[in-house]
Amino acid sequence: GAVVSQHPSRVICKSGTSVKIECRSLDFQATTMFWYRQFPKQSLMLMATSNEGSKATYEQGVEKDKFLINHASLTLSTLTVTSAHPEDSSFYICSASGLTGGEEKLFFGSGTQLSVL
Amino acid sequence: GENVEQHPSTLSVQEGDSAVIKCTYSDSASNYFPWYKQELGKGPQLIIDIRSNVGEKKDQRIAVTLNKTAKHFSLHITETQPEDSAVYFCAASPPGLGNQFYFGTGTSLTVIP
Repeated sequence: GAVVSQHPSRVICKSGTSVKIECRSLDFQATTMFWYRQFPKQSLMLMATSNEGSKATYEQGVEKDKFLINHASLTLSTLTVTSAHPEDSSFYICSASGLTGGEEKLFFGSGTQLSVL
Repeated sequence: GENVEQHPSTLSVQEGDSAVIKCTYSDSASNYFPWYKQELGKGPQLIIDIRSNVGEKKDQRIAVTLNKTAKHFSLHITETQPEDSAVYFCAASPPGLGNQFYFGTGTSLTVIP
């Protein structure tokens, strides 16, 4: 299947600092990229949807000034957690949808475990 | 919008037995139904998918069935192995590029050796 690369896989930072997470579709052009947050033993919570070259669409309750999303190209989207606090600690996952083999499919990155001290 | 429900939330089976996970969806326009396997600390991995023009699809030990009339689809894993233990998510998506995927709440499958 197609590959979505997400980095870093784990990050520990001090409270008040900003953290950037990258998501790249390696072998297909991503029409749309999605960012999720996942708490232990829970389902995926959609945070925002981004399309290349346009502003991200945030889900209700997600602060767009805190979670900055940039989708600069058809293969790269970034999520920046600004002024991180301990309550932002979570598992963040990106996904990318695009045409592979003539069909649209959705593939996930490997996730980023963020721990804010 | 679309609403996807998934059952059961947890499932334990003996190694070698079959496991079945069921999902229902609400939007009859949805036409693509992927299944994902998520291991601890990793991102979900696409394991099989089905489109609405097909009733069943099989890939070795896993199969998916779709009943459009009843708006439900199921994942079947036969001859389960310990490495099948993971959380499985179903999803539904309406037609068109870039549309949102709607996920079930997940099923934690444990295969007992």
